[in-house]
Amino acid sequence: IQMTQSPSLLSASVGDRVTLSCKAGQNINNYLAWYQQKLGEAPKLLIYNANSLQTGIPSRFSGSGSGTDFTLTISSLQPEDVATYFCQQYNSWTWTFGGGTKLELK
Amino acid sequence: EVQLVESGGGLVQPGRSMKLSCAASGFTFSNYGMAWVRQAPTKGLEWVATISYDGSSTYYRDSVKGRFTISRDNAKSTLYLQMNSLRSEDTATYYCTKPVAYWGQGTLVTVSS
Repeated sequence: IQMTQSPSLLSASVGDRVTLSCKAGQNINNYLAWYQQKLGEAPKLLIYNANSLQTGIPSRFSGSGSGTDFTLTISSLQPEDVATYFCQQYNSWTWTFGGGTKLELK
Repeated sequence: EVQLVESGGGLVQPGRSMKLSCAASGFTFSNYGMAWVRQAPTKGLEWVATISYDGSSTYYRDSVKGRFTISRDNAKSTLYLQMNSLRSEDTATYYCTKPVAYWGQGTLVTVSS
């Protein structure tokens, strides 16, 4: 299952509402995760099952969507949110990741 | 606290073999499927292989089928990835994951002569 993220690069200012997109090549039954990865670190789970917030993740992060179209929203961008964000489908045992969105400060 | 600690990475020549290990703790290892995910330098994440909780089912991406073998020892709470016939394109940091929330710190495999 192909996963397509857009945009590949996003520049935004502190306090902005930011929206990242992830599209699946077929219905993935909401088995979608969002990860944040900072330079030199392992990915960190933010959202699972498309819209469930992982424990300990700030509430400014939210996930939405269903079927094939999904969105990660950061309600008010903070400096520590600078990172690359990946989506992942786990509808089956054979997973696929999106190519990532690099989020930088304007 | 869930911990996943990978080991076994390093520099290896093309065509040679290498075995990665992942020591798990903080959860009942034998109850969960596990996976390996890799990331080439400056690239995105790429799923490599998955194994069921009891090792009876395994799944691989096409580019590693027939070369890599995922396995587990539930008595030792350890996940393995045996990598044979390594290629330069296998160069990456390899992460052990307990789907989907927990990841190790990764171990770097460099395939080069």
